[in-house]
Amino acid sequence: NAGVTQTPKFQVLKTGQSMTLQCAQDMNHEYMSWYRQDPGMGLRLIHYSVGAGITDQGEVPNGYNVSRSTTEDFPLRLLSAAPSQTSVYFCASSTGAEAFFGQGTRLTVV
Amino acid sequence: GENVEQHPSTLSVQEGDSAVIKCTYSDSASNYFPWYKQELGKRPQLIIDIRSNVGEKKDQRIAVTLNKTAKHFSLHITETQPEDSAVYFCAAESGAGSYQLTFGKGTKLSVIP
Repeated sequence: NAGVTQTPKFQVLKTGQSMTLQCAQDMNHEYMSWYRQDPGMGLRLIHYSVGAGITDQGEVPNGYNVSRSTTEDFPLRLLSAAPSQTSVYFCASSTGAEAFFGQGTRLTVV
Repeated sequence: GENVEQHPSTLSVQEGDSAVIKCTYSDSASNYFPWYKQELGKRPQLIIDIRSNVGEKKDQRIAVTLNKTAKHFSLHITETQPEDSAVYFCAAESGAGSYQLTFGKGTKLSVIP
């Protein structure tokens, strides 16, 4: 089992560009989520999904879209990147107890 | 929604001493409280968790206590070692059975050899 796999690990974007952060899990977990981590702010929930075809907003959803077409994949799309979206992004999957995190994506928007 | 406060934000202890990190939460319906450890440049990993039907849980040098009446829970690390140096996050489930976790802002623990 690979667990939760995120790609890419690093990315630099120009303001206004769009991109998709990929997340895949092979544990057959129904619940998946995206967090952003900023210094001194902990982990803040962006979007989450309780199963294929079902997504909902978390604490900081503005500027991000998600979709869940399969149990395994949960991509995060940045529609028009802004410097405020510079952060480390973590995808996680869970059965309702332990959350398993991906290795993170460090995104810089210039 | 759930709100989780975590203190202190930084903590330095001598090797061999104990470390205590405290968290409070706001949603009385929350019933799952995990603790994550994040080493520099790595992903958060679960180190211990507790559910509301239990007041205390231990795993070797790590213990978590929960006071549901006061809505606070704490992480206790005994006989600290340099490899315990990391950022620790508490979290609370945002509503019973929701699977959503609300995290505290983290505590940077430094263990001085």
